[in-house]
Amino acid sequence: QKEVEQNSGPLSVPEGAIASLNCTYSDRGSQSFFWYRQYSGKSPELIMSIYSNGDKEDGRFTAQLNKASQYVSLLIRDSQPSDSATYLCAVNRYGNKLVFGAGTILRVKS
Amino acid sequence: DTGVSQDPRHKITKRGQNVTFRCDPISEHNRLYWYRQTLGQGPEFLTYFQNEAQLEKSRLLSDRFSAERPKGSFSTLEIQRTEQGDSAMYLCASSSSLGTTEAFFGQGTRLTVV
Repeated sequence: QKEVEQNSGPLSVPEGAIASLNCTYSDRGSQSFFWYRQYSGKSPELIMSIYSNGDKEDGRFTAQLNKASQYVSLLIRDSQPSDSATYLCAVNRYGNKLVFGAGTILRVKS
Repeated sequence: DTGVSQDPRHKITKRGQNVTFRCDPISEHNRLYWYRQTLGQGPEFLTYFQNEAQLEKSRLLSDRFSAERPKGSFSTLEIQRTEQGDSAMYLCASSSSLGTTEAFFGQGTRLTVV
């Protein structure tokens, strides 16, 4: 079992729709959870962090965390073609390395 | 602060040669990470430092790889006797051990071994 699992996609959504990206993790000791966006040929860019159960909203992005289910998700509202990228989920224990999933490719069609 | 900086951005080398990459972290960050990423995969952890101490090194990392962070500032990653399988994007990230542990990546170094 991989430590962090994501559907590889591609996930295709029409412009203006809500994109829902999901991630599960195996280490119950994980304390910090992150979503990175990565455009083709570029490095990962941090877009959301979440540390406690529940929802965290930042603009069009909402991160959701459920530690009991070992599940974290990212919702993108009003999806734009510029949101087309690979979205990486990452988790870590405090003071430890980040462990990444393989990423989900998102395609927003205009 | 201009963020995490990596040099060079691209490197083409012949198999068997040694290469060295440099990473300058965000100035107030005391943690520095090296990752490797190949096409279609997420970043794979290589090693990380807190200040000048190397706290963890991936078991997947062969003895041909070595990293240093003298004085707890910039870091270098050296690959000796490069192989074609070393071709990848090498990513550096930094974070603080205080407060949030958000890590920020540099632009990466694209290595091609021919």
